[in-house]
Amino acid sequence: GAVVSQHPSWVICKSGTSVKIECRSLDFQATTMFWYRQFPKQSLMLMATSNEGSKATYEQGVEKDKFLINHASLTLSTLTVTSAHPEDSSFYICSARDGGTSGYNEQFFGPGTRLTVL
Amino acid sequence: DQQVKQNSPSLSVQEGRISILNCDYTNSMFDYFLWYKKYPAEGPTFLISISSIKDKNEDGRFTVFLNKSAKHLSLHIVPSQPGDSAVYFCAALASGTYKYIFGTGTRLKVLA
Repeated sequence: GAVVSQHPSWVICKSGTSVKIECRSLDFQATTMFWYRQFPKQSLMLMATSNEGSKATYEQGVEKDKFLINHASLTLSTLTVTSAHPEDSSFYICSARDGGTSGYNEQFFGPGTRLTVL
Repeated sequence: DQQVKQNSPSLSVQEGRISILNCDYTNSMFDYFLWYKKYPAEGPTFLISISSIKDKNEDGRFTVFLNKSAKHLSLHIVPSQPGDSAVYFCAALASGTYKYIFGTGTRLKVLA
């Protein structure tokens, strides 16, 4: 099956620093990638949708200057949390949609990145 | 406004018995539904899906039932196994979009 990787799997940083999380589709081309955030014991909340070569579409309430998303290639999207603060601590998950077929393509999820901001 | 709800935050079932996880939605534009399984600190894993043109889809031990009039779907796991213990999320898509709306999850514990 399709594999999506994320790096790093966990990161601890100081308040005020920026953190970059990578999401890669390993064996397929992902025309669309999605970034989710999950708080403990809560649902996965979609933060933004990114299409290769174009600007990301952010969900309501998500600060685009805070969470920078770049989808420079069909296999890589990055999420940069800028000037991180403790309230940004969360579990960030990416998913990728295989652009090779039509219809309601299944999204393949990465293993997630645990961000802790001290 | 939670468009997809899983009203049972947790469920315990004896090994070998049936597990039934429920999901309700409010948006009548949703026409494709998926169930994902998630372990702590891992990404969700796809289990099974169903289109609104069907009312049942089966894959091995997993069966999803859709009741469009009630805006309700359920996931049946038979027989339940200890390895099924995880958090289960239902997700819905509206026609013409690729945006998943996830439910709040149900933590299933299968007791040996």
